[in-house]
Amino acid sequence: DIQLTQSPSFLSASVGDRVTITCRASQDTSTYLAWYQQRPGRAPKLLIYAASTLQSGVPSRFSGGGSGTEFTLTISSLQPEDFATYYCQQVNSYPLTFGGGTKVEIK
Amino acid sequence: QVQVVQSGAEVKKPGSSVKVSCKASGDTFNSNAVSWVRQAPGQGLEWVGGIIPMLGTTYSAQQFHGRVTITADKLPSTAYMELRGLTSEDTAVYYCARHGGYRPLSYPLDSWGQGTLIIVSS
Repeated sequence: DIQLTQSPSFLSASVGDRVTITCRASQDTSTYLAWYQQRPGRAPKLLIYAASTLQSGVPSRFSGGGSGTEFTLTISSLQPEDFATYYCQQVNSYPLTFGGGTKVEIK
Repeated sequence: QVQVVQSGAEVKKPGSSVKVSCKASGDTFNSNAVSWVRQAPGQGLEWVGGIIPMLGTTYSAQQFHGRVTITADKLPSTAYMELRGLTSEDTAVYYCARHGGYRPLSYPLDSWGQGTLIIVSS
């Protein structure tokens, strides 16, 4: 199984800050990696797929990068609605796996 | 925008089974794969398994092998997940989600249901 390790697991930031979350895979996943946002009590929402492609309707302040075993999700200027938990997921091989999540909270 | 609607919350006894349904607008499950993902209280996301509806091919995570059955009906476009031998550790919100393509591999989950809370308690 491909293990995904996210860092940090918790992040405290202010509105307007630039934040970066890292996802490291235990094996090469090419660019078959997605990022999701989950607000409390809500279903996850797809933000980025194929490592760097922005899902339709997602604000351009979100961006993704990386390939192989190291990936990043960057929010260029944090907005109040961005305080949530973020997960990476690999769709390169079965079983599909998720990272442990990164909770972004207001400083 | 695809809408995915799941069946309602259930309380089950240990050792019993639960079957959760998931209906999508249009016939999207005929051409797109579906996965089930669960989230225990206060925990992260865990992939349970998925199906390629047009082929009937299913996949599941090792820890659910032999305990989960995932099926799909073409009309109406509905997917199901049955989990047997429930224990308290199966207490979670179960999400149904559509992949952006015909198979779970390569395609992310682009439309999610609202989630179904399953509580396992004696």
